[in-house]
Amino acid sequence: QVQLVQSGAEVKKPGASVKVSCKASGYIFTDYSIHWVRQAPGQRLEWMGWINGGNGITRYSQKFQGRVIITRDTSASTAYMELSSLRSEDTAVYYCAKSRGQGVDHWGQGTLVTVSS
Amino acid sequence: QTVVTQEPSLTVSPGGTVTLTCASSTGAVTSGYYPNWFQQKPGQAPRALIYSTSIKHSWTPARFSGSLLGGKAALTLSGVQPEDEAEYYCLLYYGGAQVFGGGTKLTVL
Repeated sequence: QVQLVQSGAEVKKPGASVKVSCKASGYIFTDYSIHWVRQAPGQRLEWMGWINGGNGITRYSQKFQGRVIITRDTSASTAYMELSSLRSEDTAVYYCAKSRGQGVDHWGQGTLVTVSS
Repeated sequence: QTVVTQEPSLTVSPGGTVTLTCASSTGAVTSGYYPNWFQQKPGQAPRALIYSTSIKHSWTPARFSGSLLGGKAALTLSGVQPEDEAEYYCLLYYGGAQVFGGGTKLTVL
């Protein structure tokens, strides 16, 4: 069965960077993309970007362009999302999700990132 | 800045039918936006329900259906169950980038 297992919660200071991992299993990693989505407390889902698991091509939301980098390690079937220049508004649960057509199907459990001085 | 709009909240009686919609600030939503629908309950990750306008995932209950309606994407729940009370989000595809709607809080009362 498809599983996406994310790394644990993080606490960061403003201005720092965070890197969240997403380990995939149960499917051929290079056949699908991985999307990253975040949700601030009590707020809507927010699409951040995706990476093609096969060729590594990425696409980012304009909102995060220049501040987010999504990478993958095919040998480990793992995708990573690094967000830099953190501010308090970046406090959120960050999710990875596997692509299905032009959308997603399976989701990771989420990683809480707290930005606080 | 593209905005995707959903009804903020809707209320439906158990056993009833309700339709949630998803509109794009760029104009009419077509199949080329590949609408996806998700259900999210408090403290949980979202769960995918529908992709490519109307295709159900293997786990999607039969009472959920997706369509295009009046220039919007639509999610219809027929024979609503108490466990359908949740937040529902749509996701639209804009040539590579994707945008979520603001979500609809569905209350079953």
